[in-house]
Amino acid sequence: AQSVTQLGSHVSVSEGALVLLRCNYSSSVPPYLFWYVQYPNQGLQLLLKYTSAATLVKGINGFEAEFKKSETSFHLTKPSAHMSDAAEYFCAVTFQTGANNLFFGTGTRLTVIP
Amino acid sequence: GAGVSQSPSNKVTEKGKDVELRCDPISGHTALYWYRQSLGQGLEFLIYFQGNSAPDKSGLPSDRFSAERTGGSVSTLTIQRTQQEDSAVYLCASSSRLARNNEQFFGPGTRLTVL
Repeated sequence: AQSVTQLGSHVSVSEGALVLLRCNYSSSVPPYLFWYVQYPNQGLQLLLKYTSAATLVKGINGFEAEFKKSETSFHLTKPSAHMSDAAEYFCAVTFQTGANNLFFGTGTRLTVIP
Repeated sequence: GAGVSQSPSNKVTEKGKDVELRCDPISGHTALYWYRQSLGQGLEFLIYFQGNSAPDKSGLPSDRFSAERTGGSVSTLTIQRTQQEDSAVYLCASSSRLARNNEQFFGPGTRLTVL
């Protein structure tokens, strides 16, 4: 089955600390992977995406993610958390064959402690 | 330019009533998606439109749900005989091409509450 798993529904970090949000996928066909961020009462905004080019992907707001096929992972990182990073983050996947829609993880709520 | 817009932003209805939710995609985007975001189920795909092709309805949870897209632009999601479990945020997204790795641009959603 094709799916996305986000470990940790809630993550808290101190301002200035490393942010690490985990995402693992399960797929029998090559994936395209995305990270979206959702601020309160807003829609989803794309942070970054992996589309089978470079495995290290840089996105907006200083976030980056690395596609590791051997680990079936696409973890999101940011070296130094900012208060404005507090939001909910969703990992999503679509596939090079089959359905066109995104399959989402259950989301990780990031809290940044001043 | 304008992003994806959805209306209404909030909708409260009584159990058993029908509701219509509207989505205006980004101009020129040929692909349009509906998703549902609820506490118990997370983000779920509902339906997908691509140009004039038949929609992919594989995510619709029951036959009370339907959607149409007129003129390849505006889409309406209709829920008939609403139930309390239909309470959720309904998100619409559009994308510029069929390419699967294209970004989907999301609207702000319609929060539906069924009393």
